[in-house]
Amino acid sequence: SYELTQPPSVSVSPGQTARITCSGDALPKQYANWYHQKPGQAPALVIYRDSERPSGIPERFSGSSSGTTVTLTISGVQAEDEAEYYCQSADSSGIYVVFGGGTKLTVL
Amino acid sequence: EVQLVESGGGLVKPGGSLRLSCAASGFTFSTYNMNWVRQAPGKGLEWVSSISGSTDYIYHADSVKGRFTISRDNAKSSLYLQMNSLRAEDTAVYYCARGEMATIGPFHYWGQGTLVTVSS
Repeated sequence: SYELTQPPSVSVSPGQTARITCSGDALPKQYANWYHQKPGQAPALVIYRDSERPSGIPERFSGSSSGTTVTLTISGVQAEDEAEYYCQSADSSGIYVVFGGGTKLTVL
Repeated sequence: EVQLVESGGGLVKPGGSLRLSCAASGFTFSTYNMNWVRQAPGKGLEWVSSISGSTDYIYHADSVKGRFTISRDNAKSSLYLQMNSLRAEDTAVYYCARGEMATIGPFHYWGQGTLVTVSS
């Protein structure tokens, strides 16, 4: 079955830039979306279609795509950005939804 | 304001059944693809099922195929998940999530989830 691969953890100091990657063979053909989830809360969309930002999401969140890897970048990380981040896409058929395993972002 | 409110979770024995509901409001329910996503305790997100607005397209993850059935009632703005032959590994918080009109995802809106516990 199709998988998306994320690093288990990323740590940065406040004000630095955090980059979280997500790799998958179908990513050149399928858009990727990113969600963050804080403990006890439902996930929330932060980036969609590789690089679009939903209304209400700060400009410090951005997304990019290159080949089989997509990247979520958080510039000027703040303490409130500490959360679990999940990428999501679809397999090559576009039918089956897949989530990455999640990346725990720690703000030191 | 878009709202998704799940209900129907609870404790059920292995082999049992449960029906989850998701009440939607704040948007034209019949025009959007809808989805169920689950999260086992301490684990990541797992897509479960998707259904198109007109029910033309229904998809289930392999892990639940043949046991779970997604459905919707557009007149009641409600989404359902019928879960049969439940297993311990189905224990999770189940989220209802709204997709887009033309595509399954992204999931712009999520409910707060309902907990399903499968245990004897």
